Amino acid sequence: EAGVAQSPRYKIIEKRQSVAFWCNPISGHATLYWYQQILGQGPKLLIQFQNNGVVDDSQLPKDRFSAERLKGVDSTLKIQPAKLEDSAVYLCASSLGGRDTEAFFGQGTRLTVV
Amino acid sequence: EDQVTQSPEALRLQEGESSSLNCSYTVSGLRGLFWYRQDPGKGPEFLFTLYSAGEEKEKERLKATLTKKESFLHITAPKPEDSATYLCAVQATGGFKTIFGAGTRLFVKA
Repeated sequence: EAGVAQSPRYKIIEKRQSVAFWCNPISGHATLYWYQQILGQGPKLLIQFQNNGVVDDSQLPKDRFSAERLKGVDSTLKIQPAKLEDSAVYLCASSLGGRDTEAFFGQGTRLTVV
Repeated sequence: EDQVTQSPEALRLQEGESSSLNCSYTVSGLRGLFWYRQDPGKGPEFLFTLYSAGEEKEKERLKATLTKKESFLHITAPKPEDSATYLCAVQATGGFKTIFGAGTRLFVKA
């Protein structure tokens, strides 16, 4: 079974630039998550989709971050404009949904804002 | 406010030296508690889900237990390949958000 695919693996941008990350979840998984993991910390949920709809985006900085899930499958996360404090690993995860809420994670995108 | 605290922050063991990692949580109602393993440069890898106090699950050298306020991950006779960061996460009833602790970094020396 193919896992969660993310790209790019690494990205370096200057502050105030824009960046986008892509995620392809495991086939058949209804729930998709984007997490931000700052070095030395646990992952922090940014946004959670159930199929096409958003079920939680309470910790997404909506003035600069946006995310969409196309046709309930792939997803993109965008940051515009980036700040130094956005430097982190951005993890995408998916799960079947329902009571089987264990999530399967991709390898993440390491973003460095300089 | 829902909260997850893991201790210790880091743990150094000799190969074969058994120990336990702690995850204390505060939630209004627990839907599930999860343990993950994370290797450097990789995403977290699912280990266990626990749903109710008294529940236990085992996998190889790992055993997870759950009470009403905390969970323990017991590591029996660890090997160097068990070195990783172990993350605990909780999901509360009435919501969808999964909250992660900061993790325990485990180092096992041969």
